[in-house]
Amino acid sequence: KAGVTQTPRYLIKTRGQQVTLSCSPISGHRSVSWYQQTPGQGLQFLFEYFSETQRNKGNFPGRFSGRQFSNSRSEMNVSTLELGDSALYLCASSTSGREDTQYFGPGTRLTVL
Amino acid sequence: EDQVTQSPEALRLQEGESSSLNCSYTVSGLRGLFWYRQDPGKGPEFLFTLYSAGEEKEKERLKATLTKKESFLHITAPKPEDSATYLCAVQAGGSYIPTFGRGTSLIVHP
Repeated sequence: KAGVTQTPRYLIKTRGQQVTLSCSPISGHRSVSWYQQTPGQGLQFLFEYFSETQRNKGNFPGRFSGRQFSNSRSEMNVSTLELGDSALYLCASSTSGREDTQYFGPGTRLTVL
Repeated sequence: EDQVTQSPEALRLQEGESSSLNCSYTVSGLRGLFWYRQDPGKGPEFLFTLYSAGEEKEKERLKATLTKKESFLHITAPKPEDSATYLCAVQAGGSYIPTFGRGTSLIVHP
């Protein structure tokens, strides 16, 4: 079974730009969660989607948004990029997002200059 | 507020020198505790899920145990390839969103 895939793997943007990251979950998984990982804050939860609906949301500004498609693939968007948005963005999928184990993708390394 | 604390922050071992990593938590209604391994620049790789106090799981040189307040990840006779950051996460109460600890960075010297 193929694992979680994320594209692109690396991205360099400048302040003020926007970016879209993509995540394809494991086949059969309907829950997709997004995390931001930085050396200073560790792994922080952004949001979770299940059946095309945002089910949970972390404490991030509205510049961070996401969506999920009918095939469970998900995208997250960050608008008006700031230097502090530089991070590893991780996507994780699980069967239902309840008491299931989350399986992570390799991440997208975003650098904001 | 749910808290997950991992210790030590960093650990250096010689190859073959067994040790344990700790994950302590203060949550109400534990649903599950997860251990992950993360290599630099990569996503966390799932290792174990523990659901109730007294539960133990093993995989190769790793053994995870769970009590009502903490979990241990025991590493027996580690090898250099075990070098990584080990993360624990807790799912508790009414939320199904896991709370992650800051991780323990393990380096095993040959």
